[in-house]
Amino acid sequence: AQSVTQLDSQVPVFEEAPVELRCNYSSSVSVYLFWYVQYPNQGLQLLLKYLSGSTLVKGINGFEAEFNKSQTSFHLRKPSVHISDTAEYFCAVSDHTGTASKLTFGTGTRLQVTL
Amino acid sequence: SAVISQKPSRDICQRGTSLTIQCQVDSQVTMMFWYRQQPGQSLTLIATANQGSEATYESGFVIDKFPISRPNLTFSTLTVSNMSPEDSSIYLCSVVGLAGATDTQYFGPGTRLTVL
Repeated sequence: AQSVTQLDSQVPVFEEAPVELRCNYSSSVSVYLFWYVQYPNQGLQLLLKYLSGSTLVKGINGFEAEFNKSQTSFHLRKPSVHISDTAEYFCAVSDHTGTASKLTFGTGTRLQVTL
Repeated sequence: SAVISQKPSRDICQRGTSLTIQCQVDSQVTMMFWYRQQPGQSLTLIATANQGSEATYESGFVIDKFPISRPNLTFSTLTVSNMSPEDSSIYLCSVVGLAGATDTQYFGPGTRLTVL
């Protein structure tokens, strides 16, 4: 079984400042890792994913994440945030079985960007 | 890009009634899932919708309360039966197999349900 921990429930940040949203996972098998974003009153949109290969993954809207196997982390970063990045961000993990199986989600981090 | 739609987008229902939520994809997919997101919470998997057979339910969810159908490779329904205020949540479907990607789930826009 896997588990995901998002250490920060809320992250306030000023516009144009950098941000890091933390995600740690626990699993006894190899995993795929994902970040999804949920804008107010909308569904989930895939930001980026790590399947294999390069540990630095670039996603949409200028976000990137780095897979660190030794620290079992997959932190999400953006060098300069915009007001429109205000949303809920979910880290998720699934089994490395070759096909997408059950996703286990973290509790989410609310990113609040202000002027 | 492929589109995942859900109907209704939101509804307000009375206690004791049932609501059926539809999930439609504009291309064939291999897997379909249903999730619940309770207010202020993360997502919890309800079940995997299996084409032509009974859904596979996660612990804590039962077929009598959440019957699911998947008659083909592009469509699934979730029914929330005998609703109570505790069923007020966002219900989301997700799919695997869009554009041949077997490793990623893509989500529909969700159905926001309020039970009075």
